[in-house]
Parts: sequence; structure tokens; C-alpha cells
Amino acid sequence: AQSVTQLGSHVSVSEGALVLLRCNYSSSVPPYLFWYVQYPNQGLQLLLKYTSAATLVKGINGFEAEFKKSETSFHLTKPSAHMSDAAEYFCAVSGTGNNDMRFGAGTRLTVKP
Amino acid sequence: EPEVTQTPSHQVTQMGQEVILRCVPISNHLYFYWYRQILGQKVEFLVSFYNNEISEKSEIFDDQFSVERPDGSNFTLKIRSTKLEDSAMYFCASSRDTIPSDTQYFGPGTRLTVL
Repeated sequence: AQSVTQLGSHVSVSEGALVLLRCNYSSSVPPYLFWYVQYPNQGLQLLLKYTSAATLVKGINGFEAEFKKSETSFHLTKPSAHMSDAAEYFCAVSGTGNNDMRFGAGTRLTVKP
Repeated sequence: EPEVTQTPSHQVTQMGQEVILRCVPISNHLYFYWYRQILGQKVEFLVSFYNNEISEKSEIFDDQFSVERPDGSNFTLKIRSTKLEDSAMYFCASSRDTIPSDTQYFGPGTRLTVL
């Protein structure tokens, strides 16, 4: 069974500051990992996904995430926050042969001017 | 850009009533999914559907739930006798291939309120 844990239900940064959203996974099979963003009153949009091709994954809107097997982590980063990044971010995991994704509890990102 | 659509955006129903939530997946996609998100909680997988059959379902997806692809474009989730705890945002998603080789695209959701 797979699961993810997102550390911090709420993260607040200043505009232009580094964004770091933490995600740790648990999986009995090689994991596939995802980050989704949810803007208010909208559905989930894929930011990036890890499928074992490369440990550093670049996504949309300047976000990237690094898969670290030794730390069972897949933290999401962005060098410089923008006001438009304010949203809820979800980490998710799936396993080989599985067709369901397990989501974390989400982290709400607030960006202060 | 093609997108997943869902109707209605908000459904209010009385406890015990049946509801049908509708989704139109992206046209060349073959895999379909339902998820739900209770207010303030995580997104939870309900069911996946391929080739007119359920391929996986979670423990949440009990006998009160059913899914159907009644025609070539719609994908529905039926809740037979709604309970208060069914109040949630329900998301439909579709993918061309199985995950992770392909991306799941999510619809905007239907907010179900059970009174």
C-alpha cells in the first residue's frame, strides 16, 4: 500500500522568497509521485510527476521536485514565489500496476506581498 | 485544450435520495476515475473504470455507489441513498493510458450537499 504525508498544512512565504512544500512517501513498490495544485473553486491541475526517469523533475509554473529515495521524500520547490502561486498543493503516490492515486492532506500556500 | 467537464457544479439533495453526478471525460481517453474531497480533508480515490468495467475501487466505494458509461461520452457516479457524510466535492478524472505512464486530468468538481 502507498501513502504520502505532507508536512505542514499551511505554509506562508513572502513574494520572491523560496517555496518549499514537503512530502514524504511510503510505498512497498517503486513509487510514482505527483504534485497537483488546486486553485480556489477549481479542479486539480498536475504540476509535475516522477516516473523513475530522472530524480529531479521540472514542472509547470517554475516548480520542481526532487525524488530522494534515501529520505523517502519528494519535496516541491520554487526559487521565487509569486502571488499567483497561492493555492492548495497536494502530493500523491501511485504504485506499479495500480490505477489509483493516494493523496496527501494538502498544504495551503499563502504568498504575502 | 480539451478538458474534463462535470455537471452540475453544485447539487443539493435530501438524505436518502439518489443522486447522479455526471462527467464528460476527454474524448480520446480510455480510463476514468472518481475521487471525492470532504471539506477540509484530503482527496480520496473512489473508483477507476476501464473497458466498461470497474478496474479498482477503494473501501469507500460500497454498494451505495455505482458507476456507468451510458454512452460514448458520459461517465456517471450514482449514489443510491445519500447520507449526510456523502457531502463532499466529487472530482472526475480521465487518462488516455494507465497512470503513471499518462497523466490524469481532473474536472472542476461537483459539490454535493446532503441535508
